[in-house]
Amino acid sequence: QVQLLQSGAEVKKPGSSVKVSCKAFGDTFSSYTFSWVRQAPGQGLEWMGRIIPIFGTSKYAQRFQGRVTITADDSTSTTYMELRSLRSEDTAVYYCARDPYGGTSFDFWGQGTLVTVSS
Amino acid sequence: SYVLTQPPSVSVAPGQTARITCGGNNIGNKSVHWYQQKPGQAPVLVVFDDTDRPSGIPERISGSNPGNTATLTISRVEAGDEADYYCQVWDASSDHLYVFGTGTKVTVL
Repeated sequence: QVQLLQSGAEVKKPGSSVKVSCKAFGDTFSSYTFSWVRQAPGQGLEWMGRIIPIFGTSKYAQRFQGRVTITADDSTSTTYMELRSLRSEDTAVYYCARDPYGGTSFDFWGQGTLVTVSS
Repeated sequence: SYVLTQPPSVSVAPGQTARITCGGNNIGNKSVHWYQQKPGQAPVLVVFDDTDRPSGIPERISGSNPGNTATLTISRVEAGDEADYYCQVWDASSDHLYVFGTGTKVTVL
């Protein structure tokens, strides 16, 4: 059974950075595409970016361009999302999610990581 | 950027049918996927490619996308169906490759 296990909750100061990890269990890691999706309190889902581990290529939503980096380590089946220059509006739950075919739906999701940005 | 519009809320009595719509430009030309999200939990895929269900999703939950509007239908609604539901499409020409709808809160009366 596929599982995506994310790192724990974080509390950060404005202007700092956060790096969240997502480790995949139960299937071939590099065959899939992994995205990061965030959800601010009481709000909807917003796609931030994705990585295709087999190619090592990433693409980001424009509003996060320059502030976010998504990477993958095939040896540990882990994808990472680093968000820099944090502001209070970045307080949200961050999810990793797997797209099995690249350009379709998300069939498995991580449990979510709450990132709180507060002075 | 591509926009998907959903009603903010739908209320339905137990045993009745809930229908959640998802509107977007030429949405009939796209594959629509649906997620259920309960409070404090990650989203769960309930319908993919307009009409298909992942294993473990009951037949009471179905999807359609005949042209102008995609619809998620929940028949014989149960208390456990109370959740937020999001539609999603892939749009290679959009800034957000994966576009989510605005979300619909389903309340079971």
